[in-house]
Amino acid sequence: EPEVTQTPSHQVTQMGQEVILRCVPISNHLYFYWYRQILGQKVEFLVSFYNNEISEKSEIFDDQFSVERPDGSNFTLKIRSTKLEDSAMYFCASSPGLAFADTQYFGPGTRLTVL
Amino acid sequence: SQQGEEDPQALSIQEGENATMNCSYKTSINNLQWYRQNSGRGLVHLILIRSNEREKHSGRLRVTLDTSKKSSSLLITASRAADTASYFCATALNSGNTPLVFGKGTRLSVIA
Repeated sequence: EPEVTQTPSHQVTQMGQEVILRCVPISNHLYFYWYRQILGQKVEFLVSFYNNEISEKSEIFDDQFSVERPDGSNFTLKIRSTKLEDSAMYFCASSPGLAFADTQYFGPGTRLTVL
Repeated sequence: SQQGEEDPQALSIQEGENATMNCSYKTSINNLQWYRQNSGRGLVHLILIRSNEREKHSGRLRVTLDTSKKSSSLLITASRAADTASYFCATALNSGNTPLVFGKGTRLSVIA
């Protein structure tokens, strides 16, 4: 069964450094998402992406964050200058159709630790 | 605003017993989805129920949706130790590509 994959599984970085989290969505899906989960808290939406554009973003997704689909398979989340509070599990998800109509399939997550 | 809220926050049962988790939400939805998360791992999609559906089954899972009460329940029958995980409901609103809104989850422990 096709799966969303994410790399790396764990990333440790120093505060102020840039990180890029990578995702490979399911191949025939058209809609892509990033969510994060701070330890012990809810899963929170960051951004959705369709047709090479951001379609929705949350208040969390400020100027320090960016997303890109550099080729036909990868979907990346970049944090330009990490802060301690960016430490969280970051999940990529994809769906074949719009969120209101279709299941979102999640990757296994990247645990980001900012020191 | 708090959209999906699960209750109870934690549930501990013996293997073989049934586990029921509830989810309440505030706004109109198009669908509601349940996910499982093993400790520190990714989210596994369990079941999606649409607003025009009242009940759905998948193996040992039974989900109900009451749109008049804005609530859903997830029943796991004949639980197993491997069902130990956190269970989240997530709601999708009525249009567009608005994101899923997750609740805080119910932590289920199944004791062998």
